[in-house]
Amino acid sequence: EAGVAQSPRYKIIEKRQSVAFWCNPISGHATLYWYQQILGQGPKLLIQFQNNGVVDDSQLPKDRFSAERLKGVDSTLKIQPAKLEDSAVYLCASSSNGPNTEAFFGQGTRLTVV
Amino acid sequence: QQPVQSPQAVILREGEDAVINCSSSKALYSVHWYRQKHGEAPIFLMILLKGGEQKGHDKISASFNEKKQQSSLYLTASQLSYSGTYFCGTSYGNQFYFGTGTSLTVIP
Repeated sequence: EAGVAQSPRYKIIEKRQSVAFWCNPISGHATLYWYQQILGQGPKLLIQFQNNGVVDDSQLPKDRFSAERLKGVDSTLKIQPAKLEDSAVYLCASSSNGPNTEAFFGQGTRLTVV
Repeated sequence: QQPVQSPQAVILREGEDAVINCSSSKALYSVHWYRQKHGEAPIFLMILLKGGEQKGHDKISASFNEKKQQSSLYLTASQLSYSGTYFCGTSYGNQFYFGTGTSLTVIP
């Protein structure tokens, strides 16, 4: 079974530039999560999708971050414009059906904003 | 809403036991446990769904006290491979939050 795929693995951008991350969850998984993990901290939930609908985006800085999950499969997370404090690893995870099922994580995208 | 873990860090010698605690200020429906090694993605260890439930595999087990809104992870006869940061994850309805994390280092 293929795991959660994320790209790119690394990205360096200047502040005020825009960036997009892509995630392909495990086939058949209804729930998709985007997390931000700052060095030394636990993952912070940015947004949770159930199929193509948003379940929770309460911690997503909506003035600069956006995410979509077209057709309930792949997802993209965008930051525009980026700030220095956005430097972090962005993790995508998927689970078969909701937060009471096991979540599988992708390798993450390490973003550095300079 | 983020669950609080204790201790923040622990150093063990190979073969020693450890307990990691996870406490929530809100009622829980389920608790997950994950281990993350440096530079890697979190790996799922187990999920507990019922109050008072215990689970385990190999020498890692966990308990979940729904009334106390707490879960504990037990590592028995620790091995070098157990080193990493352990996170609990808790669900509140449809929302899911990771805990503050516990860094565990096993030394020979």
